[in-house]
Amino acid sequence: EIVLTQSPGTLSLSPGDRATLSCRASQSVSSSFFAWYRQKPGQAPRLLIYAASSRAIGIPDRFSGSGSGTAFTLTISRLEPEDFAVYYCQQYGDLPRTFGQGTKVDVK
Amino acid sequence: EVQLVQSGGGLVQSGGSLRLSCAASGFTFSKFWMTWVRQAPGKGLEWVANINQDGSEQNYVDSVKGRFTISRDNTENSIYLQMSSLRAEDTAIYFCARGTGPFDNWGQGTLVTVSS
Repeated sequence: EIVLTQSPGTLSLSPGDRATLSCRASQSVSSSFFAWYRQKPGQAPRLLIYAASSRAIGIPDRFSGSGSGTAFTLTISRLEPEDFAVYYCQQYGDLPRTFGQGTKVDVK
Repeated sequence: EVQLVQSGGGLVQSGGSLRLSCAASGFTFSKFWMTWVRQAPGKGLEWVANINQDGSEQNYVDSVKGRFTISRDNTENSIYLQMSSLRAEDTAIYFCARGTGPFDNWGQGTLVTVSS
């Protein structure tokens, strides 16, 4: 099983700040089968990034993803109020599919 | 518009059974893998199971193997999760999602509470 470890656990920032979230995999993720999701309280997760760096439909360009192999990053260039939420990374190259434990972005 | 509408869930005693449903619309259901993901209260996301387009292949996380069964009915555009021998640690919100990864559309979630 591929274990995904996200850091930091919590990121305290202000609206307009830049956010950088990291995710490390215990083994190489196949062909960048890697995604990022945002989950707001009481809601289902929403896909932000797939294939490590491709934005999903309707996702604004302030979100960007990068990385390969075992190290991946999600960057939010300027935080909007709706971006204060929990973010999860996920690999979908191997079974079982696995998620990171989450990074909470909260208001400083 | 893609929609995944879930039903089922509720409170069940340890050792009991429950069936969750997820009805899809707005896309050609029979062309997509489908998945169940769960989230224990205050915790992260856990992939549970997936099923291929014609239902001939299913995969499960180890913790539910032999207890949960994922199935689908392409005439009803629905997937199901039959859960048996339920344990307290199965308490979670269960989401259905489209695809085998990435998951581009999700149901609203349904709470399953297993009381001991």
